[in-house]
Amino acid sequence: NAGVTQTPKFRVLKTGQSMTLLCAQDMNHEYMYWYRQDPGMGLRLIHYSVGEGTTAKGEVPDGYNVSRLKKQNFLLGLESAAPSQTSVYFCASSYSETLGQGLNTEAFFGQGTRLTVV
Amino acid sequence: KNQVEQSPQSLIILEGKNCTLQCNYTVSPFSNLRWYKQDTGRGPVSLTIMTFSENTKSNGRYTATLDADTKQSSLHITASQLSDSASYICVVSLTLNDYKLSFGAGTTVTVRA
Repeated sequence: NAGVTQTPKFRVLKTGQSMTLLCAQDMNHEYMYWYRQDPGMGLRLIHYSVGEGTTAKGEVPDGYNVSRLKKQNFLLGLESAAPSQTSVYFCASSYSETLGQGLNTEAFFGQGTRLTVV
Repeated sequence: KNQVEQSPQSLIILEGKNCTLQCNYTVSPFSNLRWYKQDTGRGPVSLTIMTFSENTKSNGRYTATLDADTKQSSLHITASQLSDSASYICVVSLTLNDYKLSFGAGTTVTVRA
């Protein structure tokens, strides 16, 4: 049981290049997310998915696209990389269950991808 | 504007000492509040979770408290160890029907021998 696996772990891109980050989870979770983490800021949601074939925009979606063709995979694409996209990217997946009077939405995170755009 | 604010931004403590981290949130209703630990170069890992009806939750040397009236939470680390050096992130699940999470910027804790 690997949990959430991200590839690659590191990448350097030139401005204007494209790339795809892959996230795979083996926990049969319905919900998957892509976040970026920048110094001094909390994780910010880029895009998310509540199920296979569905995606939605988060807080900072501009410049990114996603796809969820299979339940276990969530891909994040950068069509034309910009230096402002230099960041650490985290994929997460979660389940949801009733917990007391609320919901338990524990998210499980991958190891992160450190992307530098020069 | 971030809806989850944490303080302090960073702190340094000696091994064996205790410390308390603060989290204030400004949105309601919320479903649950969770503290995550993030080691350098790793993804966050959940430490505790509390629903709005709970006041305290422990996980070993970590104890989280929640005051839903004042919208404040704290994470207390008892008898700190070198392995406690990490960033601690407060995360709020904002609504009952939305699975998006709101993250604080984190408090970086450094434990020194």
